[in-house]
Amino acid sequence: DQQVKQNSPSLSVQEGRISILNCDYTNSMFDYFLWYKKYPAEGPTFLISISSIKDKNEDGRFTVFLNKSAKHLSLHIVPSQPGDSAVYFCAASEGNAGNMLTFGGGTRLMVKP
Amino acid sequence: EPEVTQTPSHQVTQMGQEVILRCVPISNHLYFYWYRQILGQKVEFLVSFYNNEISEKSEIFDDQFSVERPDGSNFTLKIRSTKLEDSAMYFCASSGPTGPHIQYFGAGTRLSVL
Repeated sequence: DQQVKQNSPSLSVQEGRISILNCDYTNSMFDYFLWYKKYPAEGPTFLISISSIKDKNEDGRFTVFLNKSAKHLSLHIVPSQPGDSAVYFCAASEGNAGNMLTFGGGTRLMVKP
Repeated sequence: EPEVTQTPSHQVTQMGQEVILRCVPISNHLYFYWYRQILGQKVEFLVSFYNNEISEKSEIFDDQFSVERPDGSNFTLKIRSTKLEDSAMYFCASSGPTGPHIQYFGAGTRLSVL
């Protein structure tokens, strides 16, 4: 099942620069997309979401962009901080499916001081 | 800040034994979920629960699994007869009435089946 895919297993970025994490999906019935951050030994922490009727949502240093025609979304973190180092998961939900989230495989972000 | 609480953090059991994983969702939330993550694999949906009944379940959630909300605060996942392949991190999540798609996760229970 590859409905949500994160093709980059890892990403390394210098502190203060932009981090761009990418996610692709195949199911056109998805109507909400979410990004979660996960530290070791913790559960996923919600970061930001976007409805399928929008193409951008911004919250502080985090911006999510959605390109429905390409079935692609991205998370931009500006400026990146060492504390942002974690695994980032893209997830999608289909409103008529009990709000179940379908997760990507995650991207490990390392922000170097 | 309200959070989802899961107990125990680590459960070790023998194959064939029953286990109950416990969760206290965020207090005003109405939707409850269980997910699992086998080591090295994706986080997978197991079941969603709303209004005292299952609203959706995955193929993984077979007859060995059951969920219950025994009182106003707890939400449990029971595995009747554990198998080696049930070893995983199990995450409970909950979401509120204004944003059911935004799910808040607990820290997880690591289940080790020997």
